[in-house]
Amino acid sequence: GQQLNQSPQSMFIQEGEDVSMNCTSSSIFNTWLWYKQDPGEGPVLLIALYKAGELTSNGRLTAQFGITRKDSFLNISASIPSDVGIYFCAGQHSGGSNYKLTFGKGTLLTVNP
Amino acid sequence: NAGVMQNPRHLVRRRGQEARLRCSPMKGHSHVYWYRQLPEEGLKFMVYLQKENIIDESGMPKERFSAEFPKEGPSILRIQQVVRGDSAAYFCASSHQGKRDTGELFFGEGSRLTVL
Repeated sequence: GQQLNQSPQSMFIQEGEDVSMNCTSSSIFNTWLWYKQDPGEGPVLLIALYKAGELTSNGRLTAQFGITRKDSFLNISASIPSDVGIYFCAGQHSGGSNYKLTFGKGTLLTVNP
Repeated sequence: NAGVMQNPRHLVRRRGQEARLRCSPMKGHSHVYWYRQLPEEGLKFMVYLQKENIIDESGMPKERFSAEFPKEGPSILRIQQVVRGDSAAYFCASSHQGKRDTGELFFGEGSRLTVL
């Protein structure tokens, strides 16, 4: 099956620091999405990217859809304690089964106050 | 609360028992998806349903697992004769017809199945 390589697996940072995480794929995706999952909760959509090269911001979050359509990164600026959680990238192919999302394994973010 | 509703949130079963997980999509959404999350893993697609139709069940194990989305009532994911390897969090998501192709799925809070 499809594999998304997400890195890093985990990060421990101080409040106020910036964070960067990324995903790479062996295949092309039509859409890249970034989700956040809090403990015991379901994933919540943060940012959706639809075009190669697209750079999109949502508050302190910025994400980019790689030119090759095989990668994406997410940056969080000036982290705060409530940024703690697991961040997942997800890719969506074009074509007949484009409703399926392929998820990375997640990046666990810990923010020390 | 107009979000995706799943129940139960936690379910404990002994090996060989049946597990039934329910999902009510967001109001106005007619597409339902089930994903499974194993510990320290990302979510894996299981099945995609519309009302009274299974569109794609390619991610679902061929035995013991079944899903339905009846005309009335919630979608149900049913696992018969559970085994320890079925222990996982099962997430339901829904989308609006027009958003199906954008990947913008709204997830429920999940049902966490523990098999003893």
